[in-house]
Amino acid sequence: GQQVMQIPQYQHVQEGEDFTTYCNSSTTLSNIQWYKQRPGGHPVFLIQLVKSGEVKKQKRLTFQFGEAKKNSSLHITATQTTDVGTYFCAGPGYALNFGKGTSLLVTP
Amino acid sequence: DAGVTQSPTHLIKTRGQQVTLRCSPKSGHDTVSWYQQALGQGPQFIFQYYEEEERQRGNFPDRFSGHQFPNYSSELNVNALLLGDSALYLCASSLGDRAVGNGYTFGSGTRLTVV
Repeated sequence: GQQVMQIPQYQHVQEGEDFTTYCNSSTTLSNIQWYKQRPGGHPVFLIQLVKSGEVKKQKRLTFQFGEAKKNSSLHITATQTTDVGTYFCAGPGYALNFGKGTSLLVTP
Repeated sequence: DAGVTQSPTHLIKTRGQQVTLRCSPKSGHDTVSWYQQALGQGPQFIFQYYEEEERQRGNFPDRFSGHQFPNYSSELNVNALLLGDSALYLCASSLGDRAVGNGYTFGSGTRLTVV
């Protein structure tokens, strides 16, 4: 599988602020997946990006795949306390190669 | 809709013992992958089973072994437990071995504590 690096490791925002996490790879990725893990929970699949420059939206979440297919981002507009958790990107392959994730804390 | 079912949910074992964890994949899925997640870390891939064979293995010692049954369910066995094996063990299922399109469905995990 292909390794990915994720930044930042932690992010603390006030409710209503925006949030972005970035995922980078040294090699071209055929696709990238994003997962969310709530505290004490398990990873839940959010989305898969496949095409160069692809942008997908899920309500307040916007996912982008870079033109070179080496990076990706997840942007949350106007965070809510329900957005709390760790967001992981995962490179393709037989095994999902998770980054270390970005832990998001939202203060009301 | 039956998701991924793992048992037991929690387990406490003594160092040196052996443990077996079980996983039933989501209905319609035929591939099972196992992950180890230490506290504060991302899930680390252990191995994947597809068509009852181990298709891929991560960087884990031979003390970690597994099996997939004809009904696609799977077991993870860990021998000679070490304190460092304490973690959340996650099972993920998919249709096909690369989960293209719909991602992997994870179970709630088994929390293993080795004392």
